[in-house]
Amino acid sequence: KAGVTQTPRYLIKTRGQQVTLSCSPISGHRSVSWYQQTPGQGLQFLFEYFSETQRNKGNFPGRFSGRQFSNSRSEMNVSTLELGDSALYLCASRTGVIVETQYFGPGTRLLVL
Amino acid sequence: GQQLNQSPQSMFIQEGEDVSMNCTSSSIFNTWLWYKQDPGEGPVLLIALYKAGELTSNGRLTAQFGITRKDSFLNISASIPSDVGIYFCAGSSSNTGKLIFGQGTTLQVKP
Repeated sequence: KAGVTQTPRYLIKTRGQQVTLSCSPISGHRSVSWYQQTPGQGLQFLFEYFSETQRNKGNFPGRFSGRQFSNSRSEMNVSTLELGDSALYLCASRTGVIVETQYFGPGTRLLVL
Repeated sequence: GQQLNQSPQSMFIQEGEDVSMNCTSSSIFNTWLWYKQDPGEGPVLLIALYKAGELTSNGRLTAQFGITRKDSFLNISASIPSDVGIYFCAGSSSNTGKLIFGQGTTLQVKP
């Protein structure tokens, strides 16, 4: 089975721009969660989508949004980028039906200049 | 909010030595997970624990879900150079996608 894939792997943007990141979950997984990883804050939960609905949300400003499509692929959008948004953005997938483990993708490294 | 305290923050050991790291929480978790992350990559799941008191092994790795459900430890026996990386514990308190992560333990192994 193919793992979680994320595109692009690397991205450079400037302040004020917006960015869209994509995540394709493991086949059969209906839940996709997004995390932000920074050296200072570690891994922080952004949100989870299950069957196209946001099921859980972390403590991030409204500039961070996401969506999920009928094929379970998910996108994350950050508008009006700030320098502090530079981070590794990870998505993770699971079936989402029972309590079980999540599997992470390799991440998208975003640099905001 | 929920927090996980992971220790030690970093370890520098000799190849062949055993390693132990642990996580404690102020809250109860239903699931404990241990991940390893290599530079520039996402965390890779090592061990998953679902029941209080559960002891699970994966090769040279052994992890336990604490009886109080507020702690977990990971042991690595006979370390080798490829064990180098950052190890994270993570906990989940309900059937959601939200994992709370520890700060990570950076492991360096000297050949």
